[in-house]
Amino acid sequence: GQNIDQPTEMTATEGAIVQINCTYQTSGFNGLFWYQQHAGEAPTFLSYNVLDGLEEKGRFSSFLSRSKGYSYLLLKELQMKDSASYLCAVSPASGTYKYIFGTGTRLKVLA
Amino acid sequence: DTGVSQNPRHKITKRGQNVTFRCDPISEHNRLYWYRQTLGQGPEFLTYFQNEAQLEKSRLLSDRFSAERPKGSFSTLEIQRTEQGDSAMYLCASSLAEGYEQYFGPGTRLTVT
Repeated sequence: GQNIDQPTEMTATEGAIVQINCTYQTSGFNGLFWYQQHAGEAPTFLSYNVLDGLEEKGRFSSFLSRSKGYSYLLLKELQMKDSASYLCAVSPASGTYKYIFGTGTRLKVLA
Repeated sequence: DTGVSQNPRHKITKRGQNVTFRCDPISEHNRLYWYRQTLGQGPEFLTYFQNEAQLEKSRLLSDRFSAERPKGSFSTLEIQRTEQGDSAMYLCASSLAEGYEQYFGPGTRLTVT
């Protein structure tokens, strides 16, 4: 089967660092994506990992370990506007470009 | 580039009625996807198109659901004989054929009463 797990909720303080974990079990693997979704809005792309290692993009970094079926999204210097849901999604195989999404992690940033 | 657009943004309908949603992808994108999202859940794949060809369809998509992309540009998703369980946000996304990143539209929120 296909399964993606993320924590349901996290809380952090403005200016801090937070790490959101994602574990996956899929029939194949063709890349892992992180999306941000504010309440009532569409998901917006944050990062993409297909090889092991860390990808950095400003305040956001994403890490992948394919052998462990594990990824994390690291958010630094948290701002109030970072309060949102963070969705982990896996493309399970080449030849199909659909994503399988986790349920999302709702992050609350407190002042 | 105006992004992916969807119409209507909100739809309230009575159980048993038919509804149709439209998605206009980013103009140069060959692939178009439909997802459904309920509160507190991630998007759930429904179907996708490469140009006008429907290449994959979720087993979750009952025969009450049909999608088309007649000229390889905009797409429509129709739900016949709506049920209360169809209430959800319907998201459309598009991507370049050779690319992986999917760009999402704002969604159509369906409420079936």
